[in-house]
Amino acid sequence: QSALTQPPSASGSPGQSVAISCTGTSSDVGRFDYVSWYQQQPGKAPKLIILEVSKRPSGVPDRFSGSKSGNTASLTVTGLQAEDEAYYYCCSFAGNYRWVFGGGTKLTVL
Amino acid sequence: EMQLVESGGALVQSGGSLRLSCAASGFSFSIYTMNWVRQAPGKGLEWISFTQLSSSITDYADSVRGRFTISRDNAKNALYLQMDSLRAEDTAVYYCVRDHLWAFDVWGRGTLVTVSS
Repeated sequence: QSALTQPPSASGSPGQSVAISCTGTSSDVGRFDYVSWYQQQPGKAPKLIILEVSKRPSGVPDRFSGSKSGNTASLTVTGLQAEDEAYYYCCSFAGNYRWVFGGGTKLTVL
Repeated sequence: EMQLVESGGALVQSGGSLRLSCAASGFSFSIYTMNWVRQAPGKGLEWISFTQLSSSITDYADSVRGRFTISRDNAKNALYLQMDSLRAEDTAVYYCVRDHLWAFDVWGRGTLVTVSS
């Protein structure tokens, strides 16, 4: 199972919006609406911020949103804040109890 | 508070074995599927293993299949990962992760496994 493809880096100024893509195949992202996104701060465990493509867990700001089209999912962060600087990982169910992660994107707030 | 605490990480020689444990608290452990996810130093996340409610159904990433064994003890609220025939590329932080609503919603802090060649 190959990793999902994410850009290695993304950036934006405070207040701006940034989108991070996550490209898979018709066997994972394209087949299932079970794409999730995780935020990881340095030295910490990942934190779930989006599940089932576009749902936000309780406590996650509505500045974070998710979408999917075909084999590509996207995470959009609007109104960037300094605290949003982190690594972001997408993940998709791949069938048969298996999961696949993206390689991660480092988001820099300029 | 829902919590997962991993233990058992250590420095081990290539070809050796190690058993990781994960203690769950703050939720009904027995009704959730559980997973192990690892992260090599400076690298991304890699899903490596899954177990259903009673360990009757398990699955593994190809990178660890045949070498790692996942199990759970619902009476002890514990998840385990038996790792055999360890390789240098198994060096990573290993996270115990709860699976809920098709996402990984509770993570432990991780335990570091270092395999020396």
